[in-house]
Amino acid sequence: QQQVKQSPQSLIVQKGGISIINCAYENTAFDYFPWYQQFPGKGPALLIAIRPDVSEKKEGRFTISFNKSAKQFSLHIMDSQPGDSATYFCAASKSQAGTALIFGKGTTLSVSS
Amino acid sequence: DSGVTQTPKHLITATGQRVTLRCSPRSGDLSVYWYQQSLDQGLQFLIQYYNGEERAKGNILERFSAQQFPDLHSELNLSSLELGDSALYFCASSATEYGYTFGSGTRLTVV
Repeated sequence: QQQVKQSPQSLIVQKGGISIINCAYENTAFDYFPWYQQFPGKGPALLIAIRPDVSEKKEGRFTISFNKSAKQFSLHIMDSQPGDSATYFCAASKSQAGTALIFGKGTTLSVSS
Repeated sequence: DSGVTQTPKHLITATGQRVTLRCSPRSGDLSVYWYQQSLDQGLQFLIQYYNGEERAKGNILERFSAQQFPDLHSELNLSSLELGDSALYFCASSATEYGYTFGSGTRLTVV
């Protein structure tokens, strides 16, 4: 049973456009929602994270929007650049010992110049 | 360099064999997590160790086992390997329940 569902599987965006990746979760006990960025040949790297007490968090061109009632959160990449081309993973976890991050299946983003 | 070191980077082995993957966490991180990444399943959590003790278990097969040593490095042992075990295996470390730092992974190919 997949606890975090991510869409789309792949995304092509023009340079300067907005990239939007969506995730939905099932477990209402989740209280930490990070996004990871992975380049080929590298491990995932933490990009930005949010907790359910806020509806939005922005860091530079990256924004997480969080909808607790819908159990959904999304990553928006503004002014997308070719260097943003990577695989993006959403994840969720509970702030409790003995739990680990559950990841979505990933979205491969290609930003065309 | 993330600070998490995984060796080897690549491993090719035959079905039925056993391999050991090694992970050195970031300095000061007590938790080590192992994940398996395949094209169709994404990042699957296998197991977590905290300061030498097993803390959480995910979708880890009985043929797989792990341990964390007193110096905090961890090893993932994969035995009776099957073609389907071919994947990227990532180790991550953290100081808290959040902010995992991943290594660059070990690519295992079973032939």
